[in-house]
Amino acid sequence: DSGVTQTPKHLITATGQRVTLRCSPRSGDLSVYWYQQSLDQGLQFLIQYYNGEERAKGNILERFSAQQFPDLHSELNLSSLELGDSALYFCASSVGTGELSYGYTFGSGTRLTVV
Amino acid sequence: GQQVMQIPQYQHVQEGEDFTTYCNSSTTLSNIQWYKQRPGGHPVFLIQLVKSGEVKKQKRLTFQFGEAKKNSSLHITATQTTDVGTYFCAGYSNAGKSTFGDGTTLTVKP
Repeated sequence: DSGVTQTPKHLITATGQRVTLRCSPRSGDLSVYWYQQSLDQGLQFLIQYYNGEERAKGNILERFSAQQFPDLHSELNLSSLELGDSALYFCASSVGTGELSYGYTFGSGTRLTVV
Repeated sequence: GQQVMQIPQYQHVQEGEDFTTYCNSSTTLSNIQWYKQRPGGHPVFLIQLVKSGEVKKQKRLTFQFGEAKKNSSLHITATQTTDVGTYFCAGYSNAGKSTFGDGTTLTVKP
């Protein structure tokens, strides 16, 4: 157990639908990052929040959005889902941000399958 | 934008052979991190390098950060079957942005 909790572990949904992925960071970590990993692919950075505020944005589609709540948990919302959105979505957390992050702790991921 | 290239993409070795993966950045990095992802698992943080020319060791793993802080390498001596997985580097630019390489997937034949 890394200390980063992601739910659900698996999600199967139809095209056009909307889903919400949830992440609870490791205790004490203020930064939350979302990554997408397609089959046998690298980690594509989507977005980062630090202490409730959006800090950095990667290649996140307009159909995707995220937020970090006052208790520091984060949600990634994916809407108008397409087959190509099928992937493993990882959440990671760190104490600080930028150079002070000193390593990310990843959750076990949510495997999303769009049919 | 910042690009981090990792080579090779795949490496197949016989157990006991050495393994090296290389990471090259298009921009100067403030630090670089290395992660390991076992098959079916999630990335796990291994180490962070900050200083120019820094070398760190973890048992059979040796990590180096280039003098120009634009490249790094991970070397595994005498690979074991437990070393299988994908090794990612992640470089932090001076602008505070982190970029992951595409990873090197290592398979070890017993």
